[in-house]
Amino acid sequence: EAQVTQNPRYLITVTGKKLTVTCSQNMNHEYMSWYRQDPGLGLRQIYYSMNVEVTDKGDVPEGYKVSRKEKRNFPLILESPSPNQTSLYFCASRQTGFHEQYFGPGTRLTVT
Amino acid sequence: DAKTTQPPSMDCAEGRAANLPCNHSTISGNEYVYWYRQIHSQGPQYIIHGLKNNETNEMASLIITEDRKSSTLILPHATLRDTAVYYCIVRVAIIQGAQKLVFGQGTRLTINP
Repeated sequence: EAQVTQNPRYLITVTGKKLTVTCSQNMNHEYMSWYRQDPGLGLRQIYYSMNVEVTDKGDVPEGYKVSRKEKRNFPLILESPSPNQTSLYFCASRQTGFHEQYFGPGTRLTVT
Repeated sequence: DAKTTQPPSMDCAEGRAANLPCNHSTISGNEYVYWYRQIHSQGPQYIIHGLKNNETNEMASLIITEDRKSSTLILPHATLRDTAVYYCIVRVAIIQGAQKLVFGQGTRLTINP
């Protein structure tokens, strides 16, 4: 089944403790991106990647890092999480030349 | 990207057609209309997109007015599983560049038994 997977789905952590949220797609898509969703603010793009080893900042990249060493994986790294990064995170992917973006199921992160 | 206006909420009876309107009066000639939905904090799901012509797929139909200033998403036989927030997004073709989708507040559609 074609899909985007994220892990973990739920995470509660403390301020400053480094964490990684993984994202993987099995559709051989070139493009991948990360969004966060907050009440009243909609979805905002954090980082995106056009292909392996090609990443760029979205609208809200502060406090996040990404890497794209393999085509299928696009992990989101929070080096020193803070409470304002408490949010619902979505990974998405898309095939070049096509309009449809596929979203993962989401990761609900709470930073205390 | 053109601004869109959608009603905040709508109700529809199960089995009936759900018609969700979207106004985009400032749309440019090269901007597409995209529809996504989000079911209760799940990942957004692509529904359909169009440029000028009406479009239909297995999920829905998209009717775009001739002047392209508004459109309607039609779910022909709504089921309880169609209860979700529906987002109308207008922007240039999402096949190049940052390709981000800007989701507004959308329409919360409730399908009633």
